[in-house]
Amino acid sequence: DTGVSQNPRHKITKRGQNVTFRCDPISEHNRLYWYRQTLGQGPEFLTYFQNEAQLEKSRLLSDRFSAERPKGSFSTLEIQRTEQGDSAMYLCASSNEVNTEAFFGQGTRLTVV
Amino acid sequence: DQQVKQNSPSLSVQEGRISILNCDYTNSMFDYFLWYKKYPAEGPTFLISISSIKDKNEDGRFTVFLNKSAKHLSLHIVPSQPGDSAVYFCAATIALGTYKYIFGTGTRLKVLA
Repeated sequence: DTGVSQNPRHKITKRGQNVTFRCDPISEHNRLYWYRQTLGQGPEFLTYFQNEAQLEKSRLLSDRFSAERPKGSFSTLEIQRTEQGDSAMYLCASSNEVNTEAFFGQGTRLTVV
Repeated sequence: DQQVKQNSPSLSVQEGRISILNCDYTNSMFDYFLWYKKYPAEGPTFLISISSIKDKNEDGRFTVFLNKSAKHLSLHIVPSQPGDSAVYFCAATIALGTYKYIFGTGTRLKVLA
């Protein structure tokens, strides 16, 4: 197990297009998080899954955003009708119930042109 | 409302000397704190954490101090090495519930050889 894996690493899309990102957490980690980081800011919480259940969503997650974690394994984050303001680094993290620290993937950098 | 603040955007330290990075928080409900290191184009890497029942935690060259009355924590790196040059984020969470993190805006540490 090499850690949290995110694909793609980079995505350039035209405004108005839909994009989907994938996150493969560390195996047996039941907690999965999505964060967004913009330039000069720290990561901001977007949403949280415990197993397959999405238990919390940030106000940052507008109705154009949807996240899933089928079968409690990998997760996808979809952004519909992308806007330039969606340009950011999207980070996925996972943890288990034993340790509080979360492990992050390398992120997907989205650029909306 | 920035619940976790890192007021120094950057810090330069000579190799071999001590680096001290500071973090303040406003939410008294936070009871678990973490430091992450981030290199460009990579996800954050966990460094060290501390529970609110402690006031100090050490791991090799890294020590985190927590002053609950002042709502302040600091990360000490001794001795500093050029490979420590990165952006450091402090994060806070409430250790019951989702464990979502609230991050500061980061401090860029540069260790000069």
